[in-house]
Parts: sequence; C-alpha cells; structure tokens
Amino acid sequence: DTGVSQNPRHKITKRGQNVTFRCDPISEHNRLYWYRQTLGQGPEFLTYFQNEAQLEKSRLLSDRFSAERPKGSFSTLEIQRTEQGDSAMYLCASSLMTGNSPLHFGNGTRLTVT
Amino acid sequence: AQSVTQLDSQVPVFEEAPVELRCNYSSSVSVYLFWYVQYPNQGLQLLLKYLSGSTLVKGINGFEAEFNKSQTSFHLRKPSVHISDTAEYFCAVIETSGSRLTFGEGTQLTVNP
Repeated sequence: DTGVSQNPRHKITKRGQNVTFRCDPISEHNRLYWYRQTLGQGPEFLTYFQNEAQLEKSRLLSDRFSAERPKGSFSTLEIQRTEQGDSAMYLCASSLMTGNSPLHFGNGTRLTVT
Repeated sequence: AQSVTQLDSQVPVFEEAPVELRCNYSSSVSVYLFWYVQYPNQGLQLLLKYLSGSTLVKGINGFEAEFNKSQTSFHLRKPSVHISDTAEYFCAVIETSGSRLTFGEGTQLTVNP
C-alpha cells in the first residue's frame, strides 16, 4: 500500500491559463474522489468515479472543470481558464466500493491563481 | 441530504488536559460517521469510524468517539492531549447507501505547553 499520490504538490498559474492535476489511487481501490478545500473550510465534494465511470458531479464543478479516469486507475482533473476563485487545495481520495470503506486521501495539490 | 456541524471552530487546551471536539450531524437515513485529522499542508488521515455496533469507538493516537443516535452527535475525545495533537479535525458523514462523504468545517485543536 503506497498510498494515494497526487502531482504536482503545488501549482502557481496566471489567471486564464489551464492546469491539470494527476491522482494515482491505491491500486485495489475502485472508487476515486476529488474534493476542493479552501482555507479554514472542510473539504467539499467535487466528483467521484467508480472504476472508469464518473457517477456523480457536484454543482460546484463548473463547465471549466473536467475530470477523467480513462482506464479506471489514475485520474486527472483539469481546470480551464483559471480564475482567482479557483485557488484552493485539491484533494484526491480513493476507497473500496462499499459505503463503509473509509476514504484514503493524498496530500493534495495546492493551486494558486495569480 | 446529510450535513455535519462542528460546534467549535477553535479549541485551545493545555498539554495533558482532556479535550472534546463536538460534532452533530443531520440525515433522514442511517449513516456511517468518521473523524479525520489534517496536519498543515497534508491530506486527511482517518482517526476512527463508526459503522455499527458499539457506540464507543476507539481510534489511533488515543482518540475515541461516542455515537449518540438520539442526539445525532459523534463527539471526539481524548483524556490527555499532547503538543503533537495540534491539528485540524474534521467530522464526516455518509449515508449507508450513499457514496458522497460530507465533511464539517473543521475544528482547529491547539495544544499549548
């Protein structure tokens, strides 16, 4: 169990640029989640995958956000035309398929939009 | 939909003192409950979970929590805290048939010498 890995750890970008983050989940985990966390707040759900299927998306996930998990393994989260309000920590988590299986989190990608 | 309220945003305590971090949840169906801890610039680490059975659950680092269905609470406790317990603590809930884990806004625990 090597844990959930996220890259990069930090990303600074200028407003209007596109950014992409990667998440490698724990290998036997079927579910993969993306959360966003702003300073002083709890993580907010963005989307989740079961294997390669994206099963749920939050209304927080605007049209500028897209997530993929093409082979049911790693996932990418892309933000197009970044805005300053996108500055946050983006957390990835994975779990087994059962509802009582706890989420295992990566260390996050901190995005700063200048 | 479920929701979580953490009643204290900040809890300062002295080293070796007991501490309780309060969490209330709201849901119309059965839930599973979790406490996570987050150290600066890191992801969240699971402290403990309530799935079913005994209402008193024990976790890592000497923490425990008690599920109270009638009061819809899941308070976290530790009888004697250490400096190293300084961190942000999050309570979270998921419906037993659901897939979305919902977090509270967190409680910053600061342990002073």
